[in-house]
Amino acid sequence: AQKITQTQPGMFVQEKEAVTLDCTYDTSDQSYGLFWYKQPSSGEMIFLIYQGSYDEQNATEGRYSLNFQKARKSANLVISASQLGDSAMYFCAIDGTGGFKTIFGAGTRLFVKA
Amino acid sequence: DTEVTQTPKHLVMGMTNKKSLKCEQHMGHRAMYWYKQKAKKPPELMFVYSYEKLSINESVPSRFSPECPNSSLLNLHLHALQPEDSALYLCASSSVNTEAFFGQGTRLTVV
Repeated sequence: AQKITQTQPGMFVQEKEAVTLDCTYDTSDQSYGLFWYKQPSSGEMIFLIYQGSYDEQNATEGRYSLNFQKARKSANLVISASQLGDSAMYFCAIDGTGGFKTIFGAGTRLFVKA
Repeated sequence: DTEVTQTPKHLVMGMTNKKSLKCEQHMGHRAMYWYKQKAKKPPELMFVYSYEKLSINESVPSRFSPECPNSSLLNLHLHALQPEDSALYLCASSSVNTEAFFGQGTRLTVV
């Protein structure tokens, strides 16, 4: 079975500073994908970044980067230069071989302070 | 077009009502999903359709009945729901082993 653990229920960050959201995972699959999604209060889940288990480089998408440490089974999200609009719930997720069955962590609520 | 459109956005229904949630995508994705999300919890997978066939049913009660009329449409038929079924229902679509695109969800209240 696959499992995602996000140990930070809530995080505060000052505007324009960087923040790291933690994510650890457990899976018996050799091939898997790791995802981060943002969910504002409106409810929509917004895809941010993807890391494949065989990707040697850490994924980056604009201000988002994924710090992938395979041996430690961690996939932390780094948001650089935080903006007020980054205040939202952030979910780490995993899917395994064959895809389709994405499992989400409990989420981290990020608050960006002006 | 990178949107997943869900209707309605809000729904209030009685426990004896029958209603349907609708989801549409035009990205050519062959996998479509229904998730249920309670307040302050992560989304929980309910159903997965792959190439218009039901491939995953996460032991969802029969009062929830999914339907995939074609590759662009996904419905969730609701009948005899309970108040505890009140939640945000999210539809998503994806290609195989890629990120899922989510709709804005339907906020369902069962009274």
